[in-house]
Amino acid sequence: DQQVKQNSPSLSVQEGRISILNCDYTNSMFDYFLWYKKYPAEGPTFLISISSIKDKNEDGRFTVFLNKRAKHLSLHIVPSQPGDSAVYFCAASWSGNTPLVFGKGTRLSVIA
Amino acid sequence: DTGVSQDPRHKITKRGQNVTFRCDPISEHNRLYWYRQTLGQGPEFLTYFQNEAQLEKSRLLSDRFSAERPKGSFSTLEIQRTEQGDSAMYLCASSLEPMTGQYFGPGTRLTVT
Repeated sequence: DQQVKQNSPSLSVQEGRISILNCDYTNSMFDYFLWYKKYPAEGPTFLISISSIKDKNEDGRFTVFLNKRAKHLSLHIVPSQPGDSAVYFCAASWSGNTPLVFGKGTRLSVIA
Repeated sequence: DTGVSQDPRHKITKRGQNVTFRCDPISEHNRLYWYRQTLGQGPEFLTYFQNEAQLEKSRLLSDRFSAERPKGSFSTLEIQRTEQGDSAMYLCASSLEPMTGQYFGPGTRLTVT
């Protein structure tokens, strides 16, 4: 039973365009959501998070949107750069300080 | 460097041997987590600590797996009698306050031959 789902295994985007990565969750107890970026042979790098009291959070080129009613979140990267090419994981927790539940990841390729 | 560190980065062992991994969290972080990641999957939670107290260990994969954090600082994860199915990346993360994110180390890649 996958509680966090990333239904697109891969995404290709041209440099300079917007990348949109999607994530769905099933557990309505989740109240804190995070996005991580991972390069091969490295640990995940924390990118951005959002708590359930918000519907949007921005940090530079990265924006996360949360739709609680649809149990859906998305990560927007604008503009996309070749260095953004990596695997992106969506994760969720409850009470904001418990073990994370991860999706399977989406591999983003930004083409120059 | 104030990030999470893990040692060793790579470990190759023969089936049946015991292995131990170490994690040093960010110094002021009181929570420490262990995850395992296999190919094509997201990290999977194993166990976690708040200071020296182990808050959850039911997700450890079998009784061959154990973890400690004796003084509330670094932690060790031990796998006894390793099996080929234990081959994976073992990740450690730490956090401080709720709603502030978990920060991961570089991981230990275990290969059981």
